[in-house]
Amino acid sequence: GAVVSQHPSWVICKSGTSVKIECRSLDFQATTMFWYRQFPKQSLMLMATSNEGSKATYEQGVEKDKFLINHASLTLSTLTVTSAHPEDSSFYICSARGALPETQYFGPGTRLLVL
Amino acid sequence: SQQGEEDPQALSIQEGENATMNCSYKTSINNLQWYRQNSGRGLVHLILIRSNEREKHSGRLRVTLDTSKKSSSLLITASRAADTASYFCATENYGQNFVFGPGTRLSVLP
Repeated sequence: GAVVSQHPSWVICKSGTSVKIECRSLDFQATTMFWYRQFPKQSLMLMATSNEGSKATYEQGVEKDKFLINHASLTLSTLTVTSAHPEDSSFYICSARGALPETQYFGPGTRLLVL
Repeated sequence: SQQGEEDPQALSIQEGENATMNCSYKTSINNLQWYRQNSGRGLVHLILIRSNEREKHSGRLRVTLDTSKKSSSLLITASRAADTASYFCATENYGQNFVFGPGTRLSVLP
């Protein structure tokens, strides 16, 4: 089946630094990728929809200048958390839409801890 | 806003028992999907049921969908300790974004 990878799987950084998370579709092209955030014991909350070659669409309440999304190719989307703060510590999960609109393939997630 | 609501939020059962989780949603959907998530890990897709379907089976899983009540249920039969995880429903509306429910944390005790 389709595989989506994320890198890194976990990252610890100091407050104020920026962190980049990569999401790759390994065996298919994904024109649309999604970024979710999940706090402990909570559900996934969609942050933004990333479309190849165009600007991302952010959900209400998500700061686009803080969470920079780049979808430069059909197999790669990146999420950069700029000037990270402890409250940004979370589990970030990406997904990629497959050939059928109803299918989304999820990455294994990236755990971010901001000290 | 989050569309799906799941109940119970947490469920604890003994191995061998059946586990039933429910999901309700608010708007029209194209399909509803169930996922499992082990602690600190990614999502595993379990089953997809389309809006014109009422019931689907996959191994020990049985999913029902009642579009008139805007609800779905996931039944896991003969549960095992390895079934311990969080279970989420997600609704999809004709190519739009997935909306996840809050999830049910299932604990299967040996």
